[in-house]
Amino acid sequence: SQQGEEDPQALSIQEGENATMNCSYKTSINNLQWYRQNSGRGLVHLILIRSNEREKHSGRLRVTLDTSKKSSSLLITASRAADTASYFCATDAGPYGGATNKLIFGTGTLLAVQP
Amino acid sequence: DTEVTQTPKHLVMGMTNKKSLKCEQHMGHRAMYWYKQKAKKPPELMFVYSYEKLSINESVPSRFSPECPNSSLLNLHLHALQPEDSALYLCASSYGDSYEQYFGPGTRLTVT
Repeated sequence: SQQGEEDPQALSIQEGENATMNCSYKTSINNLQWYRQNSGRGLVHLILIRSNEREKHSGRLRVTLDTSKKSSSLLITASRAADTASYFCATDAGPYGGATNKLIFGTGTLLAVQP
Repeated sequence: DTEVTQTPKHLVMGMTNKKSLKCEQHMGHRAMYWYKQKAKKPPELMFVYSYEKLSINESVPSRFSPECPNSSLLNLHLHALQPEDSALYLCASSYGDSYEQYFGPGTRLTVT
């Protein structure tokens, strides 16, 4: 079964507004990652937060992690039309040995930023 | 070079055909992955290769056969597929445990 549930399933905002997506998961994790996917394309890694970290920033992205609640949030500030995409959280409950890095993806949030 | 390439971009095959998907990376990554993604769904892990050895098979039907000829190449051999196997097939690679994954653009597979 899928590790992560995301909400909202879909989000529509105006350019310049902030977008917040939430991810909940079920088991202990090593790290949590966020990816973006433009329609029908490959995924692009956005940010990785480790289980001993609570908050991380990268440009206009801010990610928080609450391991006690098994939840994470992704905040995109000052959104742009180019941010329109699906956003997935992915949990890594490893290690699995060797170089193996097994990710379980959440259900995703479809973000539409209106110009 | 931080790119994962996949060929072909699109593939249409009949249920009796044999075809292969190819994936290549030159980032020195030690792990490579195959995912299957249906429309409006998240990617689902199929196989993981670690140091060119199969380390995870997520109970994938034998009509999908992975192969890792060397550390840069990953193939997925397809045979006797079903229409429900139509999906976007994504390849990814990573340096190792607890690292981010780099994804290719995917192969859009249609089984007729």
